[in-house]
Amino acid sequence: KAGVTQTPRYLIKTRGQQVTLSCSPISGHRSVSWYQQTPGQGLQFLFEYFSETQRNKGNFPGRFSGRQFSNSRSEMNVSTLELGDSALYLCASSFTSGRYNEQFFGPGTRLTVL
Amino acid sequence: SQELEQSPQSLIVQEGKNLTINCTSSKTLYGLYWYKQKYGEGLIFLMMLQKGGEEKSHEKITAKLDEKKQQSSLHITASQPSHAGIYLCGAALITQGGSEKLVFGKGMKLTVNP
Repeated sequence: KAGVTQTPRYLIKTRGQQVTLSCSPISGHRSVSWYQQTPGQGLQFLFEYFSETQRNKGNFPGRFSGRQFSNSRSEMNVSTLELGDSALYLCASSFTSGRYNEQFFGPGTRLTVL
Repeated sequence: SQELEQSPQSLIVQEGKNLTINCTSSKTLYGLYWYKQKYGEGLIFLMMLQKGGEEKSHEKITAKLDEKKQQSSLHITASQPSHAGIYLCGAALITQGGSEKLVFGKGMKLTVNP
């Protein structure tokens, strides 16, 4: 079974631009969560989607948004990029939403904002 | 909000040595996940603990959750270079909607010298 895939793996943008990252979950998984990882803040939860609905949201500004499609694939969008948005963005999929569902992580997208 | 503190922040050991990583929570843990991350890559699931006093082992790695469910330890026996990486503990938080999100510690960087 193929793992979680994320595209692109690396991205360089300039301040003020917007970016869209993509995540394809493991086949059969319906929940996708997004995380931001930086050296200073560590790994922080962005949001979770389940059956095309956002179930959970972390403490990030409205510039960060996401969506999930009927095939469970998910996209994350960041508008008006800032230097501080440079990070490794990880998505994780699980079979369902709820308690004690093992989350399988993708390799991440490394975003650099210049 | 729940916070996780990991100690030590980094560790350098000689191959063959045993080591222990700690993860301490500011609140009672409902579920505690251990993940391993190679630099700049996704997270690999190691173990999940739920019950106070629970202990799980996989190959040379043993994880324990204390009775009070506020501290977990990860012990590696006879370390090998393949054990090198960043070890992250994550606490399961149940949201109002009944879904689960993970709050992570800052990670512990392990270097194993041959």
